[in-house]
Amino acid sequence: AQKITQTQPGMFVQEKEAVTLDCTYDTSDPSYGLFWYKQPSSGEMIFLIYQGSYDQQNATEGRYSLNFQKARKSANLVISASQLGDSAMYFCAMRVSGNTPLVFGKGTRLSVIA
Amino acid sequence: KAGVTQTPRYLIKTRGQQVTLSCSPISGHRSVSWYQQTPGQGLQFLFEYFSETQRNKGNFPGRFSGRQFSNSRSEMNVSTLELGDSALYLCASSWGLVTNEQFFGPGTRLTVL
Repeated sequence: AQKITQTQPGMFVQEKEAVTLDCTYDTSDPSYGLFWYKQPSSGEMIFLIYQGSYDQQNATEGRYSLNFQKARKSANLVISASQLGDSAMYFCAMRVSGNTPLVFGKGTRLSVIA
Repeated sequence: KAGVTQTPRYLIKTRGQQVTLSCSPISGHRSVSWYQQTPGQGLQFLFEYFSETQRNKGNFPGRFSGRQFSNSRSEMNVSTLELGDSALYLCASSWGLVTNEQFFGPGTRLTVL
């Protein structure tokens, strides 16, 4: 069975600083995809970044980058130059090969302080 | 291009009633998935539809059902509501079954009294 673990229930970061949100995963399938979503208080899940298990390079999308360490089964999200609008819940998710649904972690609540 | 829309956004029901939630995917997307989000259980997968067929189902009782129409719009129905069904119900769409991205709607917040 697939599992996503996010060990940080809450994080604080100073505005303009970088922050790393941890995510570890467990699967025996060699083909999988890892996702990060942001959920503001409004409730909508916003897709941030994707990393495939066979991707050679770490994914980056603007201020978001994914620190993918396959051997350690970790896929940490790095947000650079934090902004007040980054305050939200962040979810790590995984989807293994084939027709399988997304499995989500419990999430990390990030609070950006001015 | 319009995003995923869900109606209604908020709903209050009483125990024993039934409810129908609606989801309109992004134009061109043929896959729709439903998730339940609660503070205690987090995000849990309900079911996924593709081309009007249920392709995946999560571990929920038979009171939870869904369907997809030929225009890819989807509905989910919960019968005999229980207090524990109070949750945010999120719908996500993607163009296919195995894709890199699922785009989520704003959700329907259901409160069962």
